[in-house]
Amino acid sequence: NAGVTQTPKFQVLKTGQSMTLQCAQDMNHEYMSWYRQDPGMGLRLIHYSVGAGITDQGEVPNGYNVSRSTTEDFPLRLLSAAPSQTSVYFCASRSDYGYTFGSGTRLTVV
Amino acid sequence: QQQVKQSPQSLIVQKGGISIINCAYENTAFDYFPWYQQFPGKGPALLIAIRPDVSEKKEGRFTISFNKSAKQFSLHIMDSQPGDSATYFCAASWGRREQNFVFGPGTRLSVLP
Repeated sequence: NAGVTQTPKFQVLKTGQSMTLQCAQDMNHEYMSWYRQDPGMGLRLIHYSVGAGITDQGEVPNGYNVSRSTTEDFPLRLLSAAPSQTSVYFCASRSDYGYTFGSGTRLTVV
Repeated sequence: QQQVKQSPQSLIVQKGGISIINCAYENTAFDYFPWYQQFPGKGPALLIAIRPDVSEKKEGRFTISFNKSAKQFSLHIMDSQPGDSATYFCAASWGRREQNFVFGPGTRLSVLP
């Protein structure tokens, strides 16, 4: 089925470890974003991309890096994990009609 | 200016009842108001959306009411069903910049059988 695919679904990291959350979409959308979801906070934008080779920061970018080498892929890198990064992460791609979200990655940093 | 306020935080409704979730915004530049539905363990999914040139949009049991002068919009779920139990997010956006797409904090709806 067409959509946004995120891996892994669950991850536990130790403080200071690094990792990459993978995201791929097959809808040929130019716009892709990473959000984090925390209780009572809604969805907060981390980084976004308006096309291959173009990325920019969102509301809460600190501690995260992104790159967009192809239209399909938009990985999110945690450079040195901190407990404050414990959250559920959603990748999304956007058309003129709104977002299509992946199923999320639940990350716990201990 | 960029915030969207949403209430209530949680809502419990009996099967067959009407669920009402309200949102308010300040930025008059917003021109697109979608609602997203999220089931546990899943990502949010677009449910219904409205633009400010109409006051109401209905799709099945789901209706958005929009009050431009009050800068408020609401989601009404008629004949609520247990399968509607989910978290609902309102959102607002203008233009195409990602920073101009703002989500409300969410409402957890429980529909009792």
